[in-house]
Amino acid sequence: EVVMTQSPATLSVSPGERATLSCRASQTVSTNLAWYQQKPGQAPRLLIYDASARATGIPARFSGSGSGTEFTLTISSLQSEDFAVYYCQHYDNRLSWTFGQGTKVEI
Amino acid sequence: EVQLVQSGAEVKKPGESLKISCKGSGYIFTNYWIVWVRQMPGKGLEYMGIIFPGDSDTRYSPSFQGQVTISADKSISTAYLQWGSLEASDTALYYCARRGFDSGGYFGMDVWGQGTTVTVSS
Repeated sequence: EVVMTQSPATLSVSPGERATLSCRASQTVSTNLAWYQQKPGQAPRLLIYDASARATGIPARFSGSGSGTEFTLTISSLQSEDFAVYYCQHYDNRLSWTFGQGTKVEI
Repeated sequence: EVQLVQSGAEVKKPGESLKISCKGSGYIFTNYWIVWVRQMPGKGLEYMGIIFPGDSDTRYSPSFQGQVTISADKSISTAYLQWGSLEASDTALYYCARRGFDSGGYFGMDVWGQGTTVTVSS
């Protein structure tokens, strides 16, 4: 089973600043990597899939990069609505998937 | 509108059985995988397993194999997650989600249900 490790656990950022979140896989996952945002009391929302493709309706300030074992989610200029928990997730056609433990982005 | 609507909150006693549901609408239910995800109180997301309603092909995370059963009834566009004997440690919020698909193939989970809270307590 692939283990996904996110860092940092908590990221303190001011509105308007850039946020960089990391996700590392224990073995190569190619670009089979998604990022999700979860706000309190809400279901997760898909932000990025295939490591760098923005999901429908996601603002351009969200971008993803990486391949193999190292991935990054960047929020170029944090808005108040972006303070949330972010999860990376590996998926493949063997259908044995895993999530990272999450990064909380706080003010 | 594409959506997944889950059944309501449940309160059960240890040892009881339970089946929760996830109904899809606004898309061809049999063409997309449905995933189940657990979120224990104050914790992160855990992948439980996945089913393809078109042919009921089902896979489980090793952590949940033998602990739950995933099924689907394509005639009513509904997927299910069930337990034969609940434990207090099954107390959690359970989400169903659709595996997305585009010209590049299947990817992550693009549509999520609202979640079903399961509380197991004596």
